[in-house]
Amino acid sequence: AQSVAQPEDQVNVAEGNPLTVKCTYSVSGNPYLFWYVQYPNRGLQFLLKYITGDNLVKGSYGFEAEFNKSQTSFHLKKPSALVSDSALYFCAVRDGYGQNFVFGPGTRLSVLP
Amino acid sequence: SQTIHQWPATLVQPVGSPLSLECTVEGTSNPNLYWYRQAAGRGLQLLFYSVGIGQISSEVPQNLSASRPQDRQFILSSKKLLLSDSGFYLCAWSVRDRAVRALHFGNGTRLTVT
Repeated sequence: AQSVAQPEDQVNVAEGNPLTVKCTYSVSGNPYLFWYVQYPNRGLQFLLKYITGDNLVKGSYGFEAEFNKSQTSFHLKKPSALVSDSALYFCAVRDGYGQNFVFGPGTRLSVLP
Repeated sequence: SQTIHQWPATLVQPVGSPLSLECTVEGTSNPNLYWYRQAAGRGLQLLFYSVGIGQISSEVPQNLSASRPQDRQFILSSKKLLLSDSGFYLCAWSVRDRAVRALHFGNGTRLTVT
């Protein structure tokens, strides 16, 4: 069975500093990994995905994520955080060509001015 | 471009009343469709998904049901709401092909059962 863990419930970072939101996964086949962001009372917005190829994936709004197969991790990163990046971030995994996406519990990011 | 519409945005219903939430997708055909519930602003629970008209898979047995009467329409229903049905309901779609596609979400319906 697939599973996703986001070990940090909350991440606080100062504006202008780099940010990392952690994600680890467990799948039986090839991992297809996604990051989403959710602003209050809104749906989730797709940021980026990893399917194959380069371990560093670039996405929307300056975010990137690093896939590490040996550590089964897919951490979200941004070199310089903005206050507007404050939101709830979800990591998700899809196993092979299955129809289901499994989401992590979410990490609340607060960027302090 | 593709868009997804969910309505209503908010809903307050008494315990025991029926429920119907509707989701439609525009600009694509034969999508996979999904209903998720988000409790307390955190994790998402997959409730139902559909790969075609009339084809519904239920992930969690509960007080809810789903239907797909048309290719781009997905409906979440209940005959009698429970207090525990309160939550934020999200509809999502993805392209149905052999590629690995992302999910695209609607803006959600916040349901409060009183």
